[in-house]
Amino acid sequence: DIQMTQSPSSLSASVGDRVTITCRASQSISSYLNWYQQKPGKAPKLLIYAVSSLQSGVPSRFSGSGSGTDFTLTISSLQPEDFATYYCQQSYSSPRTFGGGTKVEIK
Amino acid sequence: QVTLKESGPVLVKPTETLTLTCTVSGFSLSNAKMGVSWIRQPPGKALEWLAHIFSNDEKSYSASLKSRLTISKDTSESQVVLTMTNMDPVDTATYYCARMYSSCWYAFDSWGQGTLVTVSS
Repeated sequence: DIQMTQSPSSLSASVGDRVTITCRASQSISSYLNWYQQKPGKAPKLLIYAVSSLQSGVPSRFSGSGSGTDFTLTISSLQPEDFATYYCQQSYSSPRTFGGGTKVEIK
Repeated sequence: QVTLKESGPVLVKPTETLTLTCTVSGFSLSNAKMGVSWIRQPPGKALEWLAHIFSNDEKSYSASLKSRLTISKDTSESQVVLTMTNMDPVDTATYYCARMYSSCWYAFDSWGQGTLVTVSS
C-alpha cells in the first residue's frame, strides 16, 4: 500500500498569510495527487486534482505543485473561509489512500 | 447536477452486518469514465478509503478490511451497496460515498453528505 504522510498535522495562521502544506508518498505516484478541504460536519470538497489542476469553482489562491513523491498545497492569502482541514490523497493505485490531514486554525 | 446520497441504519449492534446504499443521480453507473468509492471517517479522525467499483464491475477493497467488505452495484437502480460484516464499536464513523471521474484523474469529485453509523449494544 502507498502511505501518504502530511505535515504539519496542524497550523495556526492569520488572515492574509501564505500557508503551505506538504504531502509525501511512500513511493512514486506520478501526478495522481489530489487535495481536499473539509469543514466541520461537512463532506470533503475536491480542491485540486492531478497535482495542480484546480477543480471548477475553486479560488485561484489555492495552488498545488510537486511530482513523484513530494507535493505541496499552497494558499497564497488565507481567507476566513479557508479555516478547515486539508487532506491529500493518491489516485495512482488501490487502495486509494489519504494523508492524515492538516488542520488550519486561526491564530 | 451530480448527486450522491447515502442511506442505511444509524445504529447497529456489535457483530451485526452493516448494509449501506449510495443512490446516485446526474450520471450513470454504466459510464466507463466513472466509479464510486466508499470512504469513512471516525469522529475526529482522518478519512479512510474502503472500497470502489467501476462500470465494468472492477472492484477493489481496503486490505485491512477486505475480509469484511463487499461492494456491488445495481446500474438500473443507480445504486452502489456496501456491506460490512462483524461490526465493532471501532467501526463507528461517518460513511461517505463519492464519485471517481477519469477527467479528474480519478479524484473524488462529488461526495454524498455522509451518514453517521454508530456501533453499540
